[in-house]
Amino acid sequence: ELKVEQNPLFLSMQEGKNYTIYCNYSTTSDRLYWYRQDPGKSLESLFVLLSNGAVKQEGRLMASLDTKARLSTLHITAAVHDLSATYFCAVDITEAAGNKLTFGGGTRVLVKP
Amino acid sequence: EPEVTQTPSHQVTQMGQEVILRCVPISNHLYFYWYRQILGQKVEFLVSFYNNEISEKSEIFDDQFSVERPDGSNFTLKIRSTKLEDSAMYFCASSPPADPYEQYFGPGTRLTVT
Repeated sequence: ELKVEQNPLFLSMQEGKNYTIYCNYSTTSDRLYWYRQDPGKSLESLFVLLSNGAVKQEGRLMASLDTKARLSTLHITAAVHDLSATYFCAVDITEAAGNKLTFGGGTRVLVKP
Repeated sequence: EPEVTQTPSHQVTQMGQEVILRCVPISNHLYFYWYRQILGQKVEFLVSFYNNEISEKSEIFDDQFSVERPDGSNFTLKIRSTKLEDSAMYFCASSPPADPYEQYFGPGTRLTVT
């Protein structure tokens, strides 16, 4: 059974500083997703990583994937209040049509001034 | 920009009642999904649907659940006899044929079973 673990579960950030969220998974996969969720809202896709060594960046967020280590990281540069949200990673190992995402438990991020 | 829509936004039902949650995926998408999120917990996969049939389902998706694409636009999730533990946010998602790895999530339906 695929297990996806994120740490930390909660991250209190200071504005302007850098932080990293880690996502470990238990079964070989080269499809890793990062989503953002604001309270009471839906999931917003941030990154889709489809190969070993993939790195994607959008604004202050950068995600990378190491399939050999079964590890993805989401790096936040110079945190700002707008980044306060819960961040989920998800892994897909299905071979069937479509994709079955297995989510991590989420990292709740709170950026303080 | 096209979006996945879901109705209702909030449904309250009594235990044992049947509910139907409705989704309108983005129009040219071919892959459809239902996920649920119990309050404060992680998102869990329920079922995927492609070419008018279920392609994969989780252990949660037992005989009480069913999905249907009754016409060219709607995608529904039916729970036949709701239980208290079915209370959750239910998200519909869809993927386009050109980019099947990208899932676009709807705003969700909050189901409260009393």
